[in-house]
Amino acid sequence: EAQVTQNPRYLITVTGKKLTVTCSQNMNHEYMSWYRQDPGLGLRQIYYSMNVEVTDKGDVPEGYKVSRKEKRNFPLILESPSPNQTSLYFCASSLNSGTYEQYFGPGTRLTVT
Amino acid sequence: AQSVTQLDSHVSVSEGTPVLLRCNYSSSYSPSLFWYVQHPNKGLQLLLKYTSAATLVKGINGFEAEFKKSETSFHLTKPSAHMSDAAEYFCVVSDRGGSYIPTFGRGTSLIVHP
Repeated sequence: EAQVTQNPRYLITVTGKKLTVTCSQNMNHEYMSWYRQDPGLGLRQIYYSMNVEVTDKGDVPEGYKVSRKEKRNFPLILESPSPNQTSLYFCASSLNSGTYEQYFGPGTRLTVT
Repeated sequence: AQSVTQLDSHVSVSEGTPVLLRCNYSSSYSPSLFWYVQHPNKGLQLLLKYTSAATLVKGINGFEAEFKKSETSFHLTKPSAHMSDAAEYFCVVSDRGGSYIPTFGRGTSLIVHP
């Protein structure tokens, strides 16, 4: 089954404790992206990747890191989480950017206390 | 730069009545336009997309949207709302001016009353 998986689905952590949210797709997609969703703000892009070893900042990259060492995986890293990073996070992938449908993961709800 | 505006943050309809969710876009090129739906506690799912073929696009679950270049609009419609249509809807634009990176609208919450 074609899918995007994220782990964990729910995470409660404390300020400053490094964490990683994993994202994996099994569709051989080139384009992958991370979004955060906050009430009234819709989805805002954090980082995206056009292909392996090619990543770029989205609209709200501060406080986040990503890597794309393999085509299927695109982890999101919070080196020192802060309460303003409490949000719902989505990973997405598509064949390539722009004209193709994006497939979304189920979301990761992160709470930073 | 590309941008998209969803004109209503909330739309409330009665079951069986028509649905209209409004989206205006800004693009200096030939845009690709999408509508996604997000049901409560779920990820996003594609409803339909426009990529310079027919201007009237049919999607899943009876939804359709019409690309109107003169009005820079891509409104989403459905003739008869169903309770299961209650969800958040996102309009998305991408074009080569933005390197084809998708830009999301802020979303419209559709409420369906019995």
